[in-house]
Amino acid sequence: AQTVTQSQPEMSVQEAETVTLSCTYDTSESNYYLFWYKQPPSRQMILVIRQEAYKQQNATENRFSVNFQKAAKSFSLKISDSQLGDTAMYFCAFIPYNNDMRFGAGTRLTVKP
Amino acid sequence: GAVVSQHPSRVICKSGTSVKIECRSLDFQATTMFWYRQFPKQSLMLMATSNEGSKATYEQGVEKDKFLINHASLTLSTLTVTSAHPEDSSFYICSAPNTGPGGRQPQHFGDGTRLSIL
Repeated sequence: AQTVTQSQPEMSVQEAETVTLSCTYDTSESNYYLFWYKQPPSRQMILVIRQEAYKQQNATENRFSVNFQKAAKSFSLKISDSQLGDTAMYFCAFIPYNNDMRFGAGTRLTVKP
Repeated sequence: GAVVSQHPSRVICKSGTSVKIECRSLDFQATTMFWYRQFPKQSLMLMATSNEGSKATYEQGVEKDKFLINHASLTLSTLTVTSAHPEDSSFYICSAPNTGPGGRQPQHFGDGTRLSIL
């Protein structure tokens, strides 16, 4: 079975500071994709960042970056210069080659002014 | 603009009613679509994989006769909650994978349907 674990149900950060959300996964696959999705109160699923497992370089999207540790099966998300609009649920997700996406339990992030 | 359209966005109906939710890919063909269910403050749980031209694949514990899925065309999948009861109240989201090369977003999500059974 392939599982995704987010061990932090809730986190908070002061505006303009940096926060890291953790995610671990378990799989026997060698080729797969990892993602972080943001779900604001509107409940839309918004892709934040993606990482291909075959790429050693960590993905970066503006204020968002990941620390991908393939051997440890770890995929954390770092949000720099946090903004009030970053307040949302964040889901770590995993897709093996057969394109069946699995989500972690989510981390509720609150950015405080 | 949205590439996957999900309709309706909100349904409130009486117990025993059957409810149909549509998921349309607007500018691409989707031979596969996914249906998720999300309870309050919980994650998305995959219910079933909808396959165009063949039967849907259901996850363990999901009642096939309760949640009917029809993938009638390459752009439309429907989820029908039959004889809905209050415990079926939830947020349902569909998605379709991006089959294009090197797509940044591998899954296009609909905006979801909030189902409330009275």
